[in-house]
Amino acid sequence: NAGVTQTPKFRVLKTGQSMTLLCAQDMNHEYMYWYRQDPGMGLRLIHYSVGEGTTAKGEVPDGYNVSRLKKQNFLLGLESAAPSQTSVYFCASSYSDRAEQYFGPGTRLTVT
Amino acid sequence: GEDVEQSLFLSVREGDSSVINCTYTDSSSTYLYWYKQEPGAGLQLLTYIFSNMDMKQDQRLTVLLNKKDKHLSLRIADTQTGDSAIYFCAESSGGSYIPTFGRGTSLIVHP
Repeated sequence: NAGVTQTPKFRVLKTGQSMTLLCAQDMNHEYMYWYRQDPGMGLRLIHYSVGEGTTAKGEVPDGYNVSRLKKQNFLLGLESAAPSQTSVYFCASSYSDRAEQYFGPGTRLTVT
Repeated sequence: GEDVEQSLFLSVREGDSSVINCTYTDSSSTYLYWYKQEPGAGLQLLTYIFSNMDMKQDQRLTVLLNKKDKHLSLRIADTQTGDSAIYFCAESSGGSYIPTFGRGTSLIVHP
């Protein structure tokens, strides 16, 4: 039982490049979330999903896209990376919206 | 303004009690949470409290809720160096119930 895993752990991109971050959970959770964490800014919700095939915008969705084709996976895409997207990205999942969220270990992304 | 506010830093001596404070703005908040983030890791739920409760105790942790003042606190008794981490307050209210997180309080415990 791995919980929530994230791939990759680290990545360096040049401005304008694209990439996809993968989140996987093995707890059969309906809800999945992508957050970014920046110094002094805490945790900000980018996008979330309330079930397979659904996605919704969070607080800071601009510049990101997501997909939830399978219940266990939630993908976060950056089509054209910008230095402002340098951050640590966390994926989380939960049984319901008010239930405990289980977090992955994070992906540290640097855009130069 | 922010929905959930916390001070950014707290420094205590090992063995003392730590009190981390949080204020929130949504009077319809139903669930309030404390999460802990250790260095290099994701967040982990420490404890939570329903809005119809005033206090919840769990071993060394005591959560106090003042609903009138929209103030939540987390007290850690006999603080240890292993308690050094960032502590996030979060609130969840009607509508989507998806929690809103504060900026986190960095707790530094000195030996």
